[in-house]
Amino acid sequence: GESVGLHLPTLSVQEGDNSIINCAYSNSASDYFIWYKQESGKGPQFIIDIRSNMDKRQGQRVTVLLNKTVKHLSLQIAATQPGDSAVYFCAENGAGNNRKLIWGLGTSLAVNP
Amino acid sequence: DTAVSQTPKYLVTQMGNDKSIKCEQNLGHDTMYWYKQDSKKFLKIMFSYNNKELIINETVPNRFSPKSPDKAHLNLHINSLELGDSAVYFCASSQGVRGPYFGPGTRLLVL
Repeated sequence: GESVGLHLPTLSVQEGDNSIINCAYSNSASDYFIWYKQESGKGPQFIIDIRSNMDKRQGQRVTVLLNKTVKHLSLQIAATQPGDSAVYFCAENGAGNNRKLIWGLGTSLAVNP
Repeated sequence: DTAVSQTPKYLVTQMGNDKSIKCEQNLGHDTMYWYKQDSKKFLKIMFSYNNKELIINETVPNRFSPKSPDKAHLNLHINSLELGDSAVYFCASSQGVRGPYFGPGTRLLVL
């Protein structure tokens, strides 16, 4: 449904600091998780994904951590830059259906120069 | 070089009108989607097609009708537009287990 009444969580960080964006996922049967970045006026852009047989995966300046025990996913961005300012979404595949992702509400990251 | 493209980028129209949004992907993906994003950034899947066959049809008013002439194209036709249809509509495509690639979005404003 619609996210009526909910406000987008905001994380504000200083340029150069590390950022950690958290996500609680809903379905313990999910075995595939993705992080997306959406800049203002653009479509969501794939950043990094992880399967449930891993608990950590690293990309360029980004790391995704998966804790299946508490159904928690996090995205760490090292040395945050102004270009990292965006809304970040986590998504899970829910019961193994990769075509019907379950999306989080998003977190707005603001990088202060 | 655009992977997923949509037209138009902006669409302003009156209530009651009928409009279409077009989407094309040149990634060779088998699956295409339409998503709706409201003003609070909530993303909701509307439809999914795999090789021109409808596989996901969420609770969407039947004023919305997707059409896939081939696996590289997925269009969305909307009849009798209502104020609540105002949103950003994203087309996306995917292949296998990886997450979808999104288009730039179509910003629809119904007056």
